[in-house]
Amino acid sequence: EIVMTQSPVTLSVSPGERATLSCRASQSVRSNLAWLQQKPGQAPRLLIYDISTRVTGIPPRFSASGSGTEFTLTISSLQSEDFAVYYCQHYNNWPPTFGPGTKVHFK
Amino acid sequence: VQLVESGGGVVQPGRSLRLSCAASGFTFRSYGMHWVRQAPGKGLEWVAVMSSDGGKKYYADSVKGRFTISRDNYENTLSLEMNSLRAEDTAVYYCAKDFCSGGNCYYFDYWGQGTLVTVSS
Repeated sequence: EIVMTQSPVTLSVSPGERATLSCRASQSVRSNLAWLQQKPGQAPRLLIYDISTRVTGIPPRFSASGSGTEFTLTISSLQSEDFAVYYCQHYNNWPPTFGPGTKVHFK
Repeated sequence: VQLVESGGGVVQPGRSLRLSCAASGFTFRSYGMHWVRQAPGKGLEWVAVMSSDGGKKYYADSVKGRFTISRDNYENTLSLEMNSLRAEDTAVYYCAKDFCSGGNCYYFDYWGQGTLVTVSS
């Protein structure tokens, strides 16, 4: 099973600032990497798949990059609605696994 | 697209529970469907998948032999039969739609709101 790790655990950011979240896989997941957002009391929402492809309707302030085992999600200018927990998830092989999440909260 | 789970509740260890997910707004029979769970205050854990035609099903090792996934492509419903429940099965259970039509991509573009299962004596 591929183990996903994320850093930092929490990120304090002010609205309008840039946030950079990291995700690491214990072995290569090739391009099979997604990012999800979860707000309190809500279901997760898919933001990005295949490392960097935004889901329809996701604003361009969300961007992602990486390859192999190291990945990054960047939120260029945080809006109030972006404060949430962000998970990375691989789907390179069975079973798909998620990182433990990075909580982005208001500074 | 709408996914609505039901069937959660409080159950004693060792007992059984059946969850259901009613799907609408898409061609249900064309997509693999998954269950993903989240223990209180914890991260996400994939539980099970059933292929679009119901011919293939796979489980996480943590539930294999105890949980059974099924679907009804006429009623557009997904189910999860959970037996021999343990305290560590306590979680919100989400029904999730696979992104890819026809095959299983194992990433999820629509999620239900979840149903809470609490295993406690």
